[in-house]
Amino acid sequence: DGGITQSPKYLFRKEGQNVTLSCEQNLNHDAMYWYRQDPGQGLRLIYYSQIVNDFQKGDIAEGYSVSREKKESFPLTVTSAQKNPTAFYLCASSTHQDSQPYGYTFGSGTRLTVV
Amino acid sequence: AQKVTQAQTEISVVEKEDVTLDCVYETRDTTYYLFWYKQPPSGELVFLIRRNSFDEQNEISGRYSWNFQKSTSSFNFTITASQVVDSAVYFCALSVNSGTASKLTFGTGTRLQVTL
Repeated sequence: DGGITQSPKYLFRKEGQNVTLSCEQNLNHDAMYWYRQDPGQGLRLIYYSQIVNDFQKGDIAEGYSVSREKKESFPLTVTSAQKNPTAFYLCASSTHQDSQPYGYTFGSGTRLTVV
Repeated sequence: AQKVTQAQTEISVVEKEDVTLDCVYETRDTTYYLFWYKQPPSGELVFLIRRNSFDEQNEISGRYSWNFQKSTSSFNFTITASQVVDSAVYFCALSVNSGTASKLTFGTGTRLQVTL
C-alpha cells in the first residue's frame, strides 16, 4: 500500500542535541512538507520541497533544516538552535493534476520531547 | 496571507445528535482550495474533503455534509446522527497554489466529543 512512513513514533532529545526525523513516501508525489503541531494549535508549516534538491522555508523554519536528495525522502533535523522543540511533527506529500492540489497525504507523526 | 478561523474550540454532543463545525477563511487569491481533516487520538490526519473555489456545490458523503458559501467565506462541516467514533479533532485548512506545492494553512481545530 502506498503511503508515508515517519520514524520514530516517539523521540526524546537532550538539551543541545540535534535530532533527525525521518519521512519516506512511496506515492511518487513531487512535493513534500513538514508541519509542527502544538497543543491547542493548528499545524504550522516548517519547510516544504517541490522537487529533488530544492526546498523552501515555511512559516517557522528557524532552528530546523531539511534535505531532499531523493524524491522519496524528506528528513527534518531539529537543531539545538530550536528553543522549544517539544511538539508533534507531521510529514506530508502532495501531487497535482490539472494544476490542482491532489492526493495530499499525511504520515502518522513523530512526537518529540526534550528531556 | 491566508487565515483560517475555527471559533469552536470544543464541542460535546450526545450520540445521534447532529453537529456543525464552523470554518471561516480569508484569502485574496481567487483560486484556492479548502480541506477538512479528522485527527483521531492516534495523531494521523485523515482526509475528509477537498473543495476548490469555483465549486460551491454542497456535498454529502454518508453522514457527513459540507456547506461552502463564498459570500460569507465559510466552509462548514455537519455530521448527522453523530457516533462515538466521530470523536476527534477536526481541522479546516486552506491552500493556494505555489508552483507544484500546495502549502496548507490550518485553523486551530475543533475537538468533538461524542458521548453515549
